[in-house]
Amino acid sequence: EVQLLESGGALVQPGGSLSLSCAASGFIFSTYAMSWVRQAPGKGLEWVSTTGSSGASTWYADSVKGRFTLFRDNSRNTLYLQMNTLRAEDSAVYYCAKVYDGHFDNWGQGTLVTVSS
Amino acid sequence: EIVMTQSPASLSVSPGERATLSCRASQSVSNKLAWYQQKPGQAPKLLVYGASTRATGIPARFSGSGSGTEFTLTISSLQSEDFAVYYCQQYNHWPPCTFGQGTKLEIK
Repeated sequence: EVQLLESGGALVQPGGSLSLSCAASGFIFSTYAMSWVRQAPGKGLEWVSTTGSSGASTWYADSVKGRFTLFRDNSRNTLYLQMNTLRAEDSAVYYCAKVYDGHFDNWGQGTLVTVSS
Repeated sequence: EIVMTQSPASLSVSPGERATLSCRASQSVSNKLAWYQQKPGQAPKLLVYGASTRATGIPARFSGSGSGTEFTLTISSLQSEDFAVYYCQQYNHWPPCTFGQGTKLEIK
């Protein structure tokens, strides 16, 4: 059974930094692209970033480009999202998702990031 | 960026009846279209991919159709557990992949 377990969400001040993790199990992590998708309170889904299976290629939404860094450790079956210069509009539940042919076939339960002073 | 537009924004349907949800892309996405279901407090769940292929374990009452720019998710006989928010997502042109704004399916 595929399991994705996010952690690291917290309350952080504007301009601050935060690192999210996603521990994966139940599949061969190193063979799948992985993504983060976020959802602001009461809003819809927004794609944030995706990394290829090896981590050599990474793509970002314009809204986070230059501030967020996505990387993975295939030896630890873990995906990371380093978030810097956080803004109020980054407040959301962040979901880790396994990518299959461009869509998201498995999702974690999410971790809440709140950016507020 | 491809814009995905879902209609209606909300839909009230009685249990046992049929629900039809629509999703339109601002340009052709071929059949690279997925549907997700999200219940309150839960993560989204994949229902359909490739416009019409049900994901593993999804009941046959869920069916997807369409190609190009017009897509439909049909739930043939609504069960109580089907009342949720539904999102479409295109993955033909990305980055960025894009989602529709969602359709809230409510009990009538």
